[in-house]
Amino acid sequence: EVQLVESGGGLVKPGGSLRLSCAASGFTFSNAWMSWVRQAPGKGLEWVGRIKSKTDGGTTDYAAPVKGRFTISRDDSKNTLYLQMNSLKTEDTAVYYCTTHDCTNGVCHPFFPLWGQGTLVTVSS
Amino acid sequence: DIQMTQSPSSLSASVGDRVTITCQASQDISNYLNWYQQKPGKAPKLLIYDASNLETGVPSRFSGSGSGTDFTFTISSLQPEDIATYYCQQYDNLPRYTFGQGTKLEIK
Repeated sequence: EVQLVESGGGLVKPGGSLRLSCAASGFTFSNAWMSWVRQAPGKGLEWVGRIKSKTDGGTTDYAAPVKGRFTISRDDSKNTLYLQMNSLKTEDTAVYYCTTHDCTNGVCHPFFPLWGQGTLVTVSS
Repeated sequence: DIQMTQSPSSLSASVGDRVTITCQASQDISNYLNWYQQKPGKAPKLLIYDASNLETGVPSRFSGSGSGTDFTFTISSLQPEDIATYYCQQYDNLPRYTFGQGTKLEIK
């Protein structure tokens, strides 16, 4: 079955750190571009960042609100995506989703056909 | 920065109605516009990609159109299971992936 399963969410104090994981199965993870998208309680969707496949350079890009604080990485041997979150702020409170980009015939596209169920991160003192 | 304006923010319609949601970009984004459906407590689901292409397995009552700055999402005949929040999403080559504010669709 093709799926993404996030874990690692929880309650953390402002200024603290947390690492989220996303376990992928049912597709060739090493070829996939992956993104994290978050949703604050009762709010809309916000793209957090993206990592390309190693074949495409493995480079990362981030949204302005998290740049310098969050780091996306991947372990293709474990089919797992990570989001390291440092210097957390109350405004980082959200459900965090991992997503795949559509990658067909070696070309990856800017839309997200597969999503995990999300993991809740609460930043509060 | 490219701004996305999605409207309306909420919409009430009857079963069988034709429903239309619009998304406007502040500058030309070609056809880099996608539409998602999100039901309460669930992850978003891709419905339409590249402005007008129906994702595999999505019912044909859903459609999208437009290019450049103005885009439209349509449900041709609203069904009870279509109650959800709908989001447009654009891409620019910075890269940045920006979602619209969302349209909450309710049954009248």
